[in-house]
Amino acid sequence: NAGVMQNPRHLVRRRGQEARLRCSPMKGHSHVYWYRQLPEEGLKFMVYLQKENIIDESGMPKERFSAEFPKEGPSILRIQQVVRGDSAAYFCASSPKQAGQFFGPGTRLTVL
Amino acid sequence: QKEVEQDPGPLSVPEGAIVSLNCTYSNSAFQYFMWYRQYSRKGPELLMYTYSSGNKEDGRFTAQVDKSSKYISLFIRDSQPSDSATYLCAMSGGLSGGATNKLIFGTGTLLAVQP
Repeated sequence: NAGVMQNPRHLVRRRGQEARLRCSPMKGHSHVYWYRQLPEEGLKFMVYLQKENIIDESGMPKERFSAEFPKEGPSILRIQQVVRGDSAAYFCASSPKQAGQFFGPGTRLTVL
Repeated sequence: QKEVEQDPGPLSVPEGAIVSLNCTYSNSAFQYFMWYRQYSRKGPELLMYTYSSGNKEDGRFTAQVDKSSKYISLFIRDSQPSDSATYLCAMSGGLSGGATNKLIFGTGTLLAVQP
């Protein structure tokens, strides 16, 4: 059973461009979470989604950030008009019911 | 005050030692407790998942939860150099749709096991 897959693993963008991060959950998992890890900081929750529904977006910045988990295909975290402060590692996790969250390898975003 | 406190270390032990890692928390609503291991520039790897108070053992790892003291621990027996990593505690307040809600993480403890 393949683990959580994320792509790209590394993404470089210039200020003002859009970044699109993709996450495919483990087979059989219908719950997806996005976390951000800034240098020298811990993992911070951003958003929790189920298929076609946002369950909790309390950790998402109010502007420029959006997430979706469509009926078909991977979950997408989209960052519009990136700024240098968006440089971080973005991790996706998935979960079955009544179990822990399993993390992917992350996407490392660098904004020039 | 942070919701979850974790000693950042670094913690250095000789091979074969018993390692004790700890977290304290302030939110009494937390019910689900997890420990993750994260190697440098990798994703966190789930080691232990526990619900409410008590002990859980898996191989060389034992997780303890004391909700009355708001204190959780991870013990590693017979530590190996390959255990050298950052260990993160994480906790959640409940379930939505049967799966855990957002995780609140400690900042992580850096462990080095010396051969």
